[in-house]
Amino acid sequence: AQSVTQPDIHITVSEGASLELRCNYSYGATPYLFWYVQSPGQGLQLLLKYFSGDTLVQGIKGFEAEFKRSQSSFNLRKPSVHWSDAAEYFCAVGARTNAGKSTFGDGTTLTVKP
Amino acid sequence: KAGVTQTPRYLIKTRGQQVTLSCSPISGHRSVSWYQQTPGQGLQFLFEYFSETQRNKGNFPGRFSGRQFSNSRSEMNVSTLELGDSALYLCASSLVLGGAGMDEQFFGPGTRLTVL
Repeated sequence: AQSVTQPDIHITVSEGASLELRCNYSYGATPYLFWYVQSPGQGLQLLLKYFSGDTLVQGIKGFEAEFKRSQSSFNLRKPSVHWSDAAEYFCAVGARTNAGKSTFGDGTTLTVKP
Repeated sequence: KAGVTQTPRYLIKTRGQQVTLSCSPISGHRSVSWYQQTPGQGLQFLFEYFSETQRNKGNFPGRFSGRQFSNSRSEMNVSTLELGDSALYLCASSLVLGGAGMDEQFFGPGTRLTVL
């Protein structure tokens, strides 16, 4: 079965500081991994995805994530946070054999201090 | 290209009623998945349709059902509404070339259902 753990419910960083959001997944085979961002009352926007290949993935809005199979992790990073990055972030895992289903973590709420 | 659209955006119903939500995927996308988002349970997978066939379903009671039309538009229906069905219902579409099981999903803005 697929599962995702986001250990941090809430993170606060100062504007301009670096950011790392943690994600650990559980899946027996090669996972498909995603990071999404959700602003209040909105749908989910895909930041980046990993299906195979290079384990360092670049996404939109200056985000990147690194897939570490040995640690079952897919942490999201950004070198310098902007006030507009304040939102809720979700890590998700899917699989080619599990049609159309992503399993989501509980999310991490990011607050950005001026 | 237009994104995923969901109608209506907001809905208020009373217990015992039924409701139908609609989702129009991105043009060319043949897979549509539905999710329920609540503060207590987070994002939960309801079901997925591809070429008018349900290929996968989550762990929800039979009151939750869906269908997909030949133009890939999808509807989900919830019968005999309960207070706990109040949630944001999200639809996501995927290209899934060659009938693959999984691909990048594009989400709509959701339908906010409130059950009184």
